[in-house]
Amino acid sequence: EVQLLESGGGLVQPGGSLRLSCAASGFTFSTYAMTWVRQAPGKGLEWVSVISATDGSTYYADSVKGRFTISRDNSKNTLSLQMNSLRAEDTAVYYCAKAWGDIVLMVYGVGPAVFDYWGQGALVTVSS
Amino acid sequence: DTVLTQSPGTLSLSPGERATLSCRASQSVSSSYLAWYQQKPGQAPRLLIYGASSRATGIPDRFSGSGSGTDFTLTISSLEPEDFAVYYCQQFGRSSWTFGQGTKVEIK
Repeated sequence: EVQLLESGGGLVQPGGSLRLSCAASGFTFSTYAMTWVRQAPGKGLEWVSVISATDGSTYYADSVKGRFTISRDNSKNTLSLQMNSLRAEDTAVYYCAKAWGDIVLMVYGVGPAVFDYWGQGALVTVSS
Repeated sequence: DTVLTQSPGTLSLSPGERATLSCRASQSVSSSYLAWYQQKPGQAPRLLIYGASSRATGIPDRFSGSGSGTDFTLTISSLEPEDFAVYYCQQFGRSSWTFGQGTKVEIK
């Protein structure tokens, strides 16, 4: 059974930093791209970042580029999101999700570019 | 960036009725890259449809997707009590993803 468990959420002041982690199990972690999607209170879904399974390629939404860094440790089946220079508008539930395949497969249309398993989310609140 | 606009914002229907949800893209989207998700309160999203019309594993056949180009539709043929939720469309392009703002299907 695929399981994704986020941790590291909490309250942080504007301008501060926070690191989210996602522990994955139940699948071959090193084979799949992994992503973060966030949801502000009462709002819709916003894609944040993705990291490839193998070559370390990363991509970011414009809203977080230069402030957030996604990383993974395939030996520990762990995904991370380092968030710096946090703003009030970064307040959200952050979901870790597994992609259908690796980024190169999705880009070349070998498979669907979707997120087929999601964690339960970690709440990040940016407030003074 | 491609913007996805979903309509209506809220759909008020009774169990057993048919639900038709629309997702319109600001520019053409490959059908291969259009998906639908369901989200219930306090829960993570769940993948329903990928490739515009293929059901994900375990999704009942009352859910169907259609469309191409800039206009896509999610249809729920006969609403069950557990189908009242928010539905999001999603597209992929240039190594990034965007979601629509969501359609809430509520009990009338």
